[in-house]
Amino acid sequence: AQKITQTQPGMFVQEKEAVTLDCTYDTSDQSYGLFWYKQPSSGEMIFLIYQGSYDEQNATEGRYSLNFQKARKSANLVISASQLGDSAMYFCAMREAAMDSSYKLIFGSGTRLLVRP
Amino acid sequence: NAGVTQTPKFQVLKTGQSMTLQCAQDMNHNSMYWYRQDPGMGLRLIYYSASEGTTDKGEVPNGYNVSRLNKREFSLRLESAAPSQTSVYFCASTSGSGRDRDSNQPQHFGDGTRLSIL
Repeated sequence: AQKITQTQPGMFVQEKEAVTLDCTYDTSDQSYGLFWYKQPSSGEMIFLIYQGSYDEQNATEGRYSLNFQKARKSANLVISASQLGDSAMYFCAMREAAMDSSYKLIFGSGTRLLVRP
Repeated sequence: NAGVTQTPKFQVLKTGQSMTLQCAQDMNHNSMYWYRQDPGMGLRLIYYSASEGTTDKGEVPNGYNVSRLNKREFSLRLESAAPSQTSVYFCASTSGSGRDRDSNQPQHFGDGTRLSIL
């Protein structure tokens, strides 16, 4: 069975510094994808970034980037130049094939990030 | 830009009562989902619908039923609410699939329904 592990329940980072949030995964599929979502205190789920298993380069979206190490089965999220608004829960999720060519998401337990001024 | 709309936002029920959570999306997505989020945990899939007219169980389907009313709407029903179903419920939708050209399409989430069962 597929599994996502986020080992950091909580983290602090100083404003303007970079931070890495860890995510390891377990799958026997050759083709898979990994998503990161942000959940601020208001509760909504915000998509941040996606990495496909066959993507040759690490994904980047503005201040977000993925440190994707396929052999280690890790897909760590790097946030550069942290801002106070980055304080939130962050979830790593893996795409799992579902019926009729759709897909499901398997979520990790999340990491709560607090940015200090 | 409505996206995914869930109603209600908050609800308090007594044990044994029934209710339906409503979800509608205006993005013409084929797939829709219901998740629950419990404190300290990630989201867990309850049911999903890959297309209009089809539904399938997720990780935690017991105690729930779903209906894909049309392409836009996907409802979640609790027939006899139990305190263990106290949670935040999220609806999501996507145009993504397992096919390579669509595989990077994320799921878009509603704002959630906070449900308490006494």
